[in-house]
This record gives sequence, C-alpha cells and structure tokens, in this order.
Amino acid sequence: AIQMTQSPPSLSASVGDRVTITCRASQGITNELNWYQQKPGKAPQLLIYEASSLQSGVPSRFSGSGFGTDFTLTISSLQPEDFATYYCLQDYDYLYTFGQGTKLEIK
Amino acid sequence: EVQLVESGGGLVQPGGSLRLSCAASGFTFRNYWMHWVRQAPGKGLEWVSRINSDGRDTTYADSVKGRFTTSRDNANNTVFLQMNNLRPEDTAVYYCATVMVTSLDHWGQGTLVTVSS
Repeated sequence: AIQMTQSPPSLSASVGDRVTITCRASQGITNELNWYQQKPGKAPQLLIYEASSLQSGVPSRFSGSGFGTDFTLTISSLQPEDFATYYCLQDYDYLYTFGQGTKLEIK
Repeated sequence: EVQLVESGGGLVQPGGSLRLSCAASGFTFRNYWMHWVRQAPGKGLEWVSRINSDGRDTTYADSVKGRFTTSRDNANNTVFLQMNNLRPEDTAVYYCATVMVTSLDHWGQGTLVTVSS
C-alpha cells in the first residue's frame, strides 16, 4: 500500500497567519490527493480534491498544490474556525491511505 | 440532501461479531460506490473498505481483510459492514462515506464500536 507521510504532526499559529501542511507519498500518485478538515466529534469534511481543486463551499483562503509525490495545503490567513485537524488522502491506489494528520492549534 | 446514517455500534467482547449499517438517502444509492473509514479514539483516520455500485466488487485494508465483509442492499439503500473476530484495536468510530462527485465527499456522523472484555 502507498504510505502517506504528513507533516508537521502539530502546528501552533495565530489568527491571520499563513500556514502550510505537507504530504508526501511513497510513490507517485499523479494528482490523486485530497485534503480534509476534521473538528472534534465531527466527520471529516473535504476541502481540496485532485490536489488543487477547491471543493464547493470551501473558502478561497484554502489552496492545494503538488503532483507526483509531494503536496501542500496552504491556508492563506487563518481564521478562528480553521483550528482543527487536517488529513491528506490518496485515492490513486485501490487501497486508499490517509496521512497521519496535522493538528492546528491556536498560539 | 445527501444523508448517510450509521447504526449498529456498541460494546462487544474480543472475538465477537457486530454488523454496522449505513442508511443512505437523497441520492440514487444504487449508482454509487460506498466506503467505510474508521477512527480509533484520539487517533487518525483509517480507510477500511469499499464496495462498488452493484455489490460485486469489494476491497479491504490489510488490517481487516478476512475478518470484515462489506455488502449492500440497493433495494433498501443500505450498506453493511459485518465485523467478525473483533480485536481491541478495532475499537473506533466507523464512518460510511461515498464519492458523489469526487473523493469521499459525503460522510455519515459515525457509530462507535468498542471491543473490550
């Protein structure tokens, strides 16, 4: 199975900051990489699909980039509601795999 | 509105069995693949299984292969996860999810399975 290595595991930031989370695949996955946001006690919500496409209804401060093995999720200006845990998911392989998650906390 | 509602979770002893259900509404269920994803307490997300639209094709994560079986009833818009020989490490919230347009874009609220003696 393809391994997804996500970093950092946790991140402290302030409202208004720009933050970047990365995900690296153990082999090339073209652009089959998606990003999710999860808040405590809730199901994950899709933010970005196919590496860089913004899901409908998601604020434009979220963006994604990458191709092959290296991917990034960027939040351009953190808002209070953005403090959550973020996961990448590859759906290139028939066995999907998630990254380990990045917990974004308020500094 | 797309809705996925899981049920069937609870407390079960190691080695026991449990069947989860996920009732779907708001879309033409028989046309879509369905997935199960789980999350152990305080841990990350783990993809578990998927089933194609007619139920003939299933795929499982290595951690559950041979113990879990996914099936579906397209007449009643429901997908199932039969879990046998349960282990303490199977303790998790289990979510069903589907790909309506792209990736796993619709999720249920989850149901908690606790495996403990």
